[in-house]
Amino acid sequence: ETGVTQTPRHLVMGMTNKKSLKCEQHLGHNAMYWYKQSAKKPLELMFVYNFKEQTENNSVPSRFSPECPNSSHLFLHLHTLQPEDSALYLCASSPQVSGVGETQYFGPGTRLLVL
Amino acid sequence: GDSVTQMEGPVTLSEEAFLTINCTYTATGYPSLFWYVQYPGEGLQLLLKATKADDKGSNKGFEATYRKETTSFHLEKGSVQVSDSAVYFCALSDKGGTSYGKLTFGQGTILTVHP
Repeated sequence: ETGVTQTPRHLVMGMTNKKSLKCEQHLGHNAMYWYKQSAKKPLELMFVYNFKEQTENNSVPSRFSPECPNSSHLFLHLHTLQPEDSALYLCASSPQVSGVGETQYFGPGTRLLVL
Repeated sequence: GDSVTQMEGPVTLSEEAFLTINCTYTATGYPSLFWYVQYPGEGLQLLLKATKADDKGSNKGFEATYRKETTSFHLEKGSVQVSDSAVYFCALSDKGGTSYGKLTFGQGTILTVHP
């Protein structure tokens, strides 16, 4: 496989469930990102990892817990979510975080619905 | 802080019409500017970018020129096709302040092209 892949593509969960989103990049990049895309709002950066180290937490509630075991994989663990957390969650990667002008490569996203 | 403002959508055009989507920005440093496109059911893809003032990015018939004096990066295409129907996002990556290397997105503009 090439590029950035995300699983699952769609997820429905109750507010008491625990689930995880997975992202994998096959580009040899060192930086990975989680974004939240809600209807009628700009993309919101959630977390940034550079060489497996978290370098940014954009005031994300603790019910979202990221994990980056290596430079190719990124997880987002979800627990006790709220209906307003329903959104498209996008993963992206780039060669590194420090390069201004670097392109980020996005996966297709996981469409999450919290009931 | 950094911000990106795009023209409100949706934009509806007939095939072969001229397209302009306005984008202006506010940044503390010397940003790189991007246009990303999101086709239905997919993640974001880089369409074009420009890394310094007066640079012109171009791809697939789309163009945008980095205008520092007007802090703008308007997207244009001379003749749109039905296949250009998508959501278009303007974004910046700034080396200054707290947003080093990270993308700040506009709210997106939905483009629909009719045959």
